[in-house]
Amino acid sequence: ETGVTQSPTHLIKTRGQQVTLRCSSQSGHNTVSWYQQALGQGPQFIFQYYREEENGRGNFPPRFSGLQFPNYSSELNVNALELDDSALYLCASSLGDGEAFFGQGTRLTVV
Amino acid sequence: DQQVKQNSPSLSVQEGRISILNCDYTNSMFDYFLWYKKYPAEGPTFLISISSIKDKNEDGRFTVFLNKSAKHLSLHIVPSQPGDSAVYFCAASYTGTASKLTFGTGTRLQVTL
Repeated sequence: ETGVTQSPTHLIKTRGQQVTLRCSSQSGHNTVSWYQQALGQGPQFIFQYYREEENGRGNFPPRFSGLQFPNYSSELNVNALELDDSALYLCASSLGDGEAFFGQGTRLTVV
Repeated sequence: DQQVKQNSPSLSVQEGRISILNCDYTNSMFDYFLWYKKYPAEGPTFLISISSIKDKNEDGRFTVFLNKSAKHLSLHIVPSQPGDSAVYFCAASYTGTASKLTFGTGTRLQVTL
């Protein structure tokens, strides 16, 4: 049974660019949630996907968007990057609303 | 506004003693609470949870207490071990599940020999 894996682990982007982060959910899980953890803060809920449909969204602007694929893997896309988007992005997978298993995160730096 | 607060950024405890980590929340709609542990370069790992219909939940060395009237919960670790050194996050949900969580800012626990 493989755990939650995220790619890449680190990346650096320039302000105004677009970025795509990827998450492979744990085997058997059909729900993926994305969180943003800024330095010194706790993770903040961005949105959740359940069976390829968005199933709840936190207080993030529309330039944060996502996708979930038939194999339940997921992408987080951020357009028009801002300096404040620099953070650790965490993906968590679960079976429905069950226990969430987190990946190791992607560290995004916007310069 | 910070709906889940962990007012102690760090805590140092001797091995074998009790560690008490505290968490306060402001949203009375929260009905499920969780604690996660996070090591550097790893994602948060689920530790223990409690539903709002309970006031205590125990799992081995870990006990979570919930005081709804005070909107306060605490995590007790007894006895503390060096491997417990990590950042601990309190999280809350209003879905009755471990879904769409609101996290606190974390408390760094260091267990010394």
